[in-house]
Amino acid sequence: KQEVTQIPAALSVPEGENLVLNCSFTDSAIYNLQWFRQDPGKGLTSLLLIQSSQREQTSGRLNASLDKSSGRSTLYIAASQPGDSATYLCAVRDTGNQFYFGTGTSLTVIP
Amino acid sequence: DTAVSQTPKYLVTQMGNDKSIKCEQNLGHDTMYWYKQDSKKFLKIMFSYNNKELIINETVPNRFSPKSPDKAHLNLHINSLELGDSAVYFCASSRAGGNQPQHFGDGTRLSIL
Repeated sequence: KQEVTQIPAALSVPEGENLVLNCSFTDSAIYNLQWFRQDPGKGLTSLLLIQSSQREQTSGRLNASLDKSSGRSTLYIAASQPGDSATYLCAVRDTGNQFYFGTGTSLTVIP
Repeated sequence: DTAVSQTPKYLVTQMGNDKSIKCEQNLGHDTMYWYKQDSKKFLKIMFSYNNKELIINETVPNRFSPKSPDKAHLNLHINSLELGDSAVYFCASSRAGGNQPQHFGDGTRLSIL
């Protein structure tokens, strides 16, 4: 069974810093991996989706990488801003159309 | 012009009752989903559904049933509510195909007394 882990559980950085969030999964037979952000009291917003054949995706200040063989993905946020404060979740979709979410990293960017 | 909307936003009810949560999407998507987020913020898929296929997470009790009157709606019906059903339930939708991002509603917070 697929297990998805995110480290750290919480992260606090000063504004302007670059940071990396980590996601690891136990079964490398994935269909894709998606990064989301969740704001308090809200649903999830999709940030980046990496297909199993891809190694990275970029959107603005965000860059997500995928290393299937080692079961890892990272989300890199450049020049962090207070508006980036949220919980970041990674989710793995397996070939059987099941989704597995990590427990998230709570990010606080201090002005 | 909310893309994925759920009603109600909050639902407080007693153990043993039957309740429904409604979900509507105006994105023209083909696939809809229901998720449960527990008190520890862990998110788990319950169902994914399009007009051809219903995929059920095997851990979901059969007291939970999705009902889809049309492509834009996927309602969640829960029978005989239990204390452990207290959670936030999220509806989501996406285009058909495995590599399409999902769009989420804001959630329904269900509290069982």
